[in-house]
Amino acid sequence: NAGVTQTPKFQVLKTGQSMTLQCAQDMNHNSMYWYRQDPGMGLRLIYYSASEGTTDKGEVPNGYNVSRLNKREFSLRLESAAPSQTSVYFCASSESGFYGYTFGSGTRLTVV
Amino acid sequence: GDSVTQMEGPVTLSEEAFLTINCTYTATGYPSLFWYVQYPGEGLQLLLKATKADDKGSNKGFEATYRKETTSFHLEKGSVQVSDSAVYFCASNRDDKIIFGKGTRLHILP
Repeated sequence: NAGVTQTPKFQVLKTGQSMTLQCAQDMNHNSMYWYRQDPGMGLRLIYYSASEGTTDKGEVPNGYNVSRLNKREFSLRLESAAPSQTSVYFCASSESGFYGYTFGSGTRLTVV
Repeated sequence: GDSVTQMEGPVTLSEEAFLTINCTYTATGYPSLFWYVQYPGEGLQLLLKATKADDKGSNKGFEATYRKETTSFHLEKGSVQVSDSAVYFCASNRDDKIIFGKGTRLHILP
């Protein structure tokens, strides 16, 4: 099915470990986004990429890095995981924010 | 800065009741406005949108009207079903990025 695919769906890390969350879309969208969802906080933008080769910080970028590998793929890396990064992470893509986003099904990350 | 405020939940209704979830926004210019729905264990799905003042978005029996004078985009449904139980997010766009409200959890009792 066309859409946004995220891997893995679940992950448990120990404090200080690193990992990369993968995201790929097959809708030929220019823009891609990473959000985190925490109880009572809604969704907060971590990083976004308006086009291949460009990335920009969102509202909560500290502790994260991103790579826009090509037009399809946008990865999120945690270099040294902390318990405060326990969250559900969503990737999204769009042709333009004007029309709305398509979301992946999320990655539930627990840092112990 | 731009922001979206929606009513806090949870909201609990009986099946076939009328639903309203309030949403107001602050923005410079005229953003597009959205309602997203999140079912348990899933990502967000676009429910409806409106791109200019007085537009009405509608889908699956849900409606919302873009009211510039009151900066509001309230979600309504005339007769809710148990299957409508989910978390609903109001959102607006700014510079190609979407800003989300904190979400309203809706429980529908049979």
